[in-house]
Amino acid sequence: DTGVSQNPRHKITKRGQNVTFRCDPISEHNRLYWYRQTLGQGPEFLTYFQNEAQLEKSRLLSDRFSAERPKGSFSTLEIQRTEQGDSAMYLCASAPKVRVGEKLFFGSGTQLSVL
Amino acid sequence: AQKVTQAQTEISVVEKEDVTLDCVYETRDTTYYLFWYKQPPSGELVFLIRRNSFDEQNEISGRYSWNFQKSTSSFNFTITASQVVDSAVYFCALPNSGYALNFGKGTSLLVTP
Repeated sequence: DTGVSQNPRHKITKRGQNVTFRCDPISEHNRLYWYRQTLGQGPEFLTYFQNEAQLEKSRLLSDRFSAERPKGSFSTLEIQRTEQGDSAMYLCASAPKVRVGEKLFFGSGTQLSVL
Repeated sequence: AQKVTQAQTEISVVEKEDVTLDCVYETRDTTYYLFWYKQPPSGELVFLIRRNSFDEQNEISGRYSWNFQKSTSSFNFTITASQVVDSAVYFCALPNSGYALNFGKGTSLLVTP
């Protein structure tokens, strides 16, 4: 069990640029989640996948955000035309089973700074 | 809507003191789960406990204990004889109508020597 891996750990970009983050979940975990966390706040749900299907999106996920999990393994989160308000920690989590109340395993996150 | 409130933003204690972190929740579900996670400075959220609403017994794990009370919609977390390594942000969470967790804003705990 190697844990959830996220890359890069830090990303600094200029406003208006596109950025992409990658998440490698724990092997064989069906569920994959993306969360955003700003300073002093709890993680806020963005979206989740069951295998390759994106099943739920939060209203926080504007049309500048897109997430994919093409083969049901790793996932990418892309932010287009970044804004300063996008600066946050982006957390990925995975879960082994499809059931309510399943515990999530989190990665260390990608810290995005938009200048 | 599922909601978690952690009214304590920051708590500072001296090592070996006991400390309780409060969590109040709102849910329309009759069956639900509650969680606590720890986020150390490294950033990774670490699972501490999951509780099913059917089971109101208090749980103890080493220096950690949890007090679940449905009557007051609370799920409080106590650290006994706190240590510097306990310094972190602690989050209470509740699943939403789907399969995602809704987190509170967290309580930042600082334990000083």
